[in-house]
Amino acid sequence: DTAVSQTPKYLVTQMGNDKSIKCEQNLGHDTMYWYKQDSKKFLKIMFSYNNKELIINETVPNRFSPKSPDKAHLNLHINSLELGDSAVYFCASSQLGQGGEKLFFGSGTQLSVL
Amino acid sequence: LAKTTQPISMDSYEGQEVNITCSHNNIATNDYITWYQQFPSQGPRFIIQGYKTKVTNEVASLFIPADRKSSTLSLPRVSLSDTAVYYCLVGDSNAGNMLTFGGGTRLMVKP
Repeated sequence: DTAVSQTPKYLVTQMGNDKSIKCEQNLGHDTMYWYKQDSKKFLKIMFSYNNKELIINETVPNRFSPKSPDKAHLNLHINSLELGDSAVYFCASSQLGQGGEKLFFGSGTQLSVL
Repeated sequence: LAKTTQPISMDSYEGQEVNITCSHNNIATNDYITWYQQFPSQGPRFIIQGYKTKVTNEVASLFIPADRKSSTLSLPRVSLSDTAVYYCLVGDSNAGNMLTFGGGTRLMVKP
């Protein structure tokens, strides 16, 4: 079983459309994240949820809205897609506790906005 | 969040030992050092984590000097499949402490 799974893997769409990316983790973790990886390969955090509550919201346009129906799921909805939204989006989860945080990532969703 | 600096790229040959050093001069007392590996079209994968001295697992070793201002990821006897980007991050147990991964080190293993 895949620990962190996200769908779809590829998403090609037109500017102005609305799309969603789904993420699920079966690791029993309390915390989930969305990261964006740009063309320079920098991975930057967008959102973080802990037990369904938003705890981190970096400077991300309001067009991006995360939704966490339960602690195993964190979906990302994007309204009015723009060309600059093209990137690879990664979902991740972690279980906080002793030691440093350890992140487990999904395989990514490559979003192409035309 | 402590900033990290690591080489942009490294080349090696199959069977060699590879050492990738990361500098983190502003590491805080509660920070741990974590390394991730990322293959093309995949998400980063946790490799190893340490706080001080040396940590070893089935994949790699992590050497951390006493001042903890740097760390070295050691990959023994690399193979072609170790070609990937390796990221060094420092942070504590608080959620989202590892905000941005940075560019990482691109390791190319040649036959």
